[in-house]
Amino acid sequence: AQSVTQLGSHVSVSEGALVLLRCNYSSSVPPYLFWYVQYPNQGLQLLLKYTSAATLVKGINGFEAEFKKSETSFHLTKPSAHMSDAAEYFCAVSDPSSGGGADGLTFGKGTHLIIQP
Amino acid sequence: KAGVTQTPRYLIKTRGQQVTLSCSPISGHRSVSWYQQTPGQGLQFLFEYFSETQRNKGNFPGRFSGRQFSNSRSEMNVSTLELGDSALYLCASTAGSPGLGTQYFGPGTRLLVL
Repeated sequence: AQSVTQLGSHVSVSEGALVLLRCNYSSSVPPYLFWYVQYPNQGLQLLLKYTSAATLVKGINGFEAEFKKSETSFHLTKPSAHMSDAAEYFCAVSDPSSGGGADGLTFGKGTHLIIQP
Repeated sequence: KAGVTQTPRYLIKTRGQQVTLSCSPISGHRSVSWYQQTPGQGLQFLFEYFSETQRNKGNFPGRFSGRQFSNSRSEMNVSTLELGDSALYLCASTAGSPGLGTQYFGPGTRLLVL
C-alpha cells in the first residue's frame, strides 16, 4: 500500500522568499510522484511529475522538486514566492507496476500556502 | 485541445435522492478516474474506467457506481444520498493507464446534500 505525508497543513512565507513544501511517501515499489495545485473552487492542475528519469524535476510557474530515494521525499520548492502562488498544494503517488496502474493516485492531505505581502 | 469537462458544476440534493455526474475526458484519452474531495478525508479515489470497463474501485459503498461509454465519456451515480456525500467530485483523464500516464483533472462538481 502507498501513502503520502505532507508536513504542515499550512505554510506561510513572505513574497519573494523561498517556498518549501514537504512531501514524504511510502511505497513498496519505485513510484511515480506528482505535485498538483488547486486554486479556490477549481480542479487540480499538474505542477510537475517524477517518472524515474531525472531526479530533479522542473515544473510550471517556476516550481521544481527533487526525488530523494534514500529519504523517500519529493519536496517542492520555488526560489521566490509570488502572491499568485497562494493555493492548496497536493503531493500524490502512483504505482506504475500495478499491471497497468488501475489503482488511482494516492494523495497527501494537502498544504495550504499563504503568501504574506 | 479542450480540457476535462464536468457537468453540472454545482448541485444541491436532499437526503435519499440520487444523483448522476458527467465527465468528458480530453479528446483521445481513454481512461477516466473519479475522486471525492472533502475537508475531512481529503482526496479519495473512487474508481477508474478504461475502455468501458471498471478496473478498480476505492473503498466506497455500493451506492457509488459509474460507467464509461464508447466515446470515453463517463458518468458516476450516487444513490440514496447521505449528508456525508457532500463533496467536490473530481474527474481525471489519462491518455493511457492512470498508473503510467498523467492524470488531468476537470474543475469538479460540487455536490451539497441537505
